[in-house]
Formats: sequence, structure tokens, C-alpha cells
Amino acid sequence: EAQVTQNPRYLITVTGKKLTVTCSQNMNHEYMSWYRQDPGLGLRQIYYSMNVEVTDKGDVPEGYKVSRKEKRNFPLILESPSPNQTSLYFCASSNGQGRSNEKLFFGSGTQLSVL
Amino acid sequence: GEDVEQSLFLSVREGDSSVINCTYTDSSSTYLYWYKQEPGAGLQLLTYIFSNMDMKQDQRLTVLLNKKDKHLSLRIADTQTGDSAIYFCAERGPSGGYQKVTFGTGTKLQVIP
Repeated sequence: EAQVTQNPRYLITVTGKKLTVTCSQNMNHEYMSWYRQDPGLGLRQIYYSMNVEVTDKGDVPEGYKVSRKEKRNFPLILESPSPNQTSLYFCASSNGQGRSNEKLFFGSGTQLSVL
Repeated sequence: GEDVEQSLFLSVREGDSSVINCTYTDSSSTYLYWYKQEPGAGLQLLTYIFSNMDMKQDQRLTVLLNKKDKHLSLRIADTQTGDSAIYFCAERGPSGGYQKVTFGTGTKLQVIP
């Protein structure tokens, strides 16, 4: 089944403790992206990747890192989480480079709470 | 930068039509989308419209695009309780690049039985 898998679904951590949220897709998609969803703000893009070893900042990249060593994986790293990073995070992927209408496939989300 | 705005909440009775509205600022948008988010789940694409179209119909869904006013709407005919969800409007570049998809704040649709 074609899907985007994020782990974990729920995570509670403390300020400053490094964490990684994993994202994996099995559709051989080139494009992958991370979003955070906050009430009243919709989805905001954190980072995206056009292909292996190609990543770029979205609208709200501060406090986050990503890597794209393999096509299928796109982990989101919070080196020193802070309470303002408490949010619902979504990974998404799509085929191609945005030159035609490709839909985004979303993971089920990771609810992160930073205490 | 690009901006996409929606009202936050809409309540309708089962069987009525729902109309969810969206305004955007990027006049060079190529594609505009409607995504649906059910509770506890990620977003799923409902429908999309290319910027040179005025209207698109897909079963119970009708998308209207007024490019002059930068206004997009989603009409759901015969709304059912299973339509209760958050609906996101989104637009794709090229102002922000073809890879940039900007989402609205989402409209929570509540269907009353």
C-alpha cells in the first residue's frame, strides 16, 4: 500500500532534549516536505527536499534540521526543542518537481509536546 | 509572501449544501487545491483546479475559481455527517517556486444530523 509513515505518533519531551521524528515513503517520490499545524495558523512548511542530498528551508525552519541521505527517508531533527515547538507535525511527499499537478501524500501526523 | 485565508468554522445541517470559501494573494498561482483532514489523520487531496479554469465539478463537489478576485470556493452538495472535517485550501506557485504549496488556516465543517 502506498503510504507515508511517520513515527512516533505522539511524543512528550522536555526542553533541550534532542529528538528525531522519522518519515518514510514507499512511492519512490522525489519531493518530501515537513509541515507543522497550529490552531488558527493552518499548515506551515518547515523544510522540503527536491531529491537526495537536496534540502531547502520553508517558511518556519528555525530550530529544525533535516537530512535526505536516501530517497525514501526524510527525518526531522530538533536539536534543542523548546515549548514553542509543541505542535502537530506532518510529513508529505509527491512525485516530480512541481512542474505538473502532483498531489501531496501526507503521513498521519506526530503530536509533539515540549515541556 | 503568498497568503491564503479561510474562515475557521462552518456549521450546516445534513442534506444542505456547504460552501467553504478561500482567498489567496498570489495572482500567479498555477494550481489551487482542496484538502480534507479527518480527525486524527493527515490531509487527503479532495480536488484541485488549474488556474485557467473557472469551475470544476466532481460528483458532489463543485470548485469555483474567480481569478480576478483571487477567490476559491468549494461547494459540497447534500452534505453528510461523514463530511465533517477540516478543509484546507492550498495554492501552488510559481511565485514561491513550483515546489511551494501554501496552505490556508483550514475551515472546520460541522454537519448537524
